[in-house]
Amino acid sequence: DTAVSQTPKYLVTQMGNDKSIKCEQNLGHDTMYWYKQDSKKFLKIMFSYNNKELIINETVPNRFSPKSPDKAHLNLHINSLELGDSAVYFCASSQADHNEQFFGPGTRLTVL
Amino acid sequence: GDSVTQMEGPVTLSEEAFLTINCTYTATGYPSLFWYVQYPGEGLQLLLKATKADDKGSNKGFEATYRKETTSFHLEKGSVQVSDSAVYFCALISGGGADGLTFGKGTHLIIQP
Repeated sequence: DTAVSQTPKYLVTQMGNDKSIKCEQNLGHDTMYWYKQDSKKFLKIMFSYNNKELIINETVPNRFSPKSPDKAHLNLHINSLELGDSAVYFCASSQADHNEQFFGPGTRLTVL
Repeated sequence: GDSVTQMEGPVTLSEEAFLTINCTYTATGYPSLFWYVQYPGEGLQLLLKATKADDKGSNKGFEATYRKETTSFHLEKGSVQVSDSAVYFCALISGGGADGLTFGKGTHLIIQP
């Protein structure tokens, strides 16, 4: 069973469109995250979320918004896509009192 | 803020060579330290971790020791294999887990037969 899954694996879209990436974890973790990996492989935290609190990295544009329908899901919505949004986006999860994070396989977003 | 500095590659070695990838950090508080590995086209996998000073994390022949006095967490392996070719990320988390991991820029390791 896949611990952290993301869909789609690849996403190609035009500038200005709105898109979503889904993330699900079956580990029973209470904290989930979104990371962005740029073309140089640099990874940066975008959001972390548990049922109490959303923490947003201050550098993330407000066109990006996480939505959590339940504890096992944290979806990423992106409005008005820009060329610079092209990257690989990783979802991750952890248990609040453990620091180890488990990562999904990533979604490669290409904005044309 | 927190930061992680690691040697940038690519690092190219022959099979069975000794590997060291340097990692140093700055952090507020008392961080937990990690090495993650990313194989081509895949997500990140936790390789090893250490949560307090002088702890040694180990897995699959890789080791790293949490050195508080030098703020370092260097990754070592005695004899690398072609299958170890991947990108290796040093990372830390300080404070609460909700803060997310702070990553180094990654080191691309290439092992030649």
